[in-house]
Amino acid sequence: QKEVEQDPGPLSVPEGAIVSLNCTYSNSAFQYFMWYRQYSRKGPELLMYTYSSGNKEDGRFTAQVDKSSKYISLFIRDSQPSDSATYLCAMTTDSWGKLQFGAGTQVVVTP
Amino acid sequence: DAGVIQSPRHEVTEMGQEVTLRCKPISGHDYLFWYRQTMMRGLELLIYFNNNVPIDDSGMPEDRFSAKMPNASFSTLKIQPSEPRDSAVYFCASSFLGNRIFGPGTRLTVL
Repeated sequence: QKEVEQDPGPLSVPEGAIVSLNCTYSNSAFQYFMWYRQYSRKGPELLMYTYSSGNKEDGRFTAQVDKSSKYISLFIRDSQPSDSATYLCAMTTDSWGKLQFGAGTQVVVTP
Repeated sequence: DAGVIQSPRHEVTEMGQEVTLRCKPISGHDYLFWYRQTMMRGLELLIYFNNNVPIDDSGMPEDRFSAKMPNASFSTLKIQPSEPRDSAVYFCASSFLGNRIFGPGTRLTVL
């Protein structure tokens, strides 16, 4: 079993819809949780960074962490075609070292 | 800042040849990471350095892979001899205070 599980999709939504992405994990020692966005043929870029449990909002993006359920989510409101990308969750026990990535979910937002 | 710089962007080589990938991290960053991304295995950490010192190379697949960081502004990942299963996108990332910035990647094809 992988330490981090993420549905690879693809997830297709119409423009303006809410995109809901999630990951589950098995290592209860994970403390730092991140979401990266990766456009085709580009490197991943950090979208959201959360420490421990709770919610964090940044514009149209909301990240949630539920450590009791070992479950993290990313919501994208008012989705745009420019949000079409692969979204990878990542987590680590300390902010400096190894990041464990999910497989990535491909999102397609259709006009 | 130009971000993390990787070269070459694309490399096609024949099985058995030596391949050298290069990375220039962002100035002031004290961590440098080498990742490999494939469809089958996703994004895998190969090795990372802190202040030019290798900290964890447990992700390096075989002795055919080696990485060096002779100074704070340059790192190499070498594969010798290369094999078709090494075909992947190799990313270099650097970080300071935990936020990893990825380079554009090197797409390696071994025939």
